[in-house]
Amino acid sequence: QVQLQQGGAYLLKPSETLSLTCGVSGGSLSGFFWSWVRQSPGKGLEWIGEIHHSGDTNYSPSLKSRVSVSMDTSTNQFSLNLRSLTAADTAVYYCARVVDFYYYMDVWGRGTTVTVSS
Amino acid sequence: QSVLTQPPSVTAAPGQTVTISCSGSSPNIGNNHVSWYQQLPGTAPKLLFYENNKRPSGIPDRFSASKSGTSATLGITGLQTEDEADYYCGAWDSRLGSGVFGGGTRVTVL
Repeated sequence: QVQLQQGGAYLLKPSETLSLTCGVSGGSLSGFFWSWVRQSPGKGLEWIGEIHHSGDTNYSPSLKSRVSVSMDTSTNQFSLNLRSLTAADTAVYYCARVVDFYYYMDVWGRGTTVTVSS
Repeated sequence: QSVLTQPPSVTAAPGQTVTISCSGSSPNIGNNHVSWYQQLPGTAPKLLFYENNKRPSGIPDRFSASKSGTSATLGITGLQTEDEADYYCGAWDSRLGSGVFGGGTRVTVL
């Protein structure tokens, strides 16, 4: 059974870069998209971006200029980089596995709390 | 402003039935599959339905889902206190080239 591992909480300053990693256990990266979703305090889910095992990526139009998603097949992990942070990036960041053809997220990480504050 | 539109909240008594609408447009719901997620307080979202109306194993059949045109609906019959949660619809948007979610609907059981 595939599980996604996410790390602990982060406190970052405005203008810094967020780097998060999601570890995949119980399966490989092959055959799926691997995505990032965030949830600001008291708000709904916001789709950030995703990467396919082939290396193809898709990003949210509103975040595209600041975000990149990458993967490391040797360690079975994928990562999120979000640059030029502001307080508006404060959120819980989830990683999730995407079943592409029907587009749904069937496995989720537990989330990482990221706070951006000076 | 979310691409998919859901009512912010619904409230009902135990045992009653609730429905949650998810309204989209041609590039998302109209031409792609809809999924639904349940988020219990303080936890990660959990897949409730995929491919418009398919239930993963372990999801009670009190839950149902459907899609028609550019809208989708989630139904819960025989409402239980454990169903108190936020519910989100999701889909791929072919015009944006991104995944999209509804704003979420909080279900409160009186």
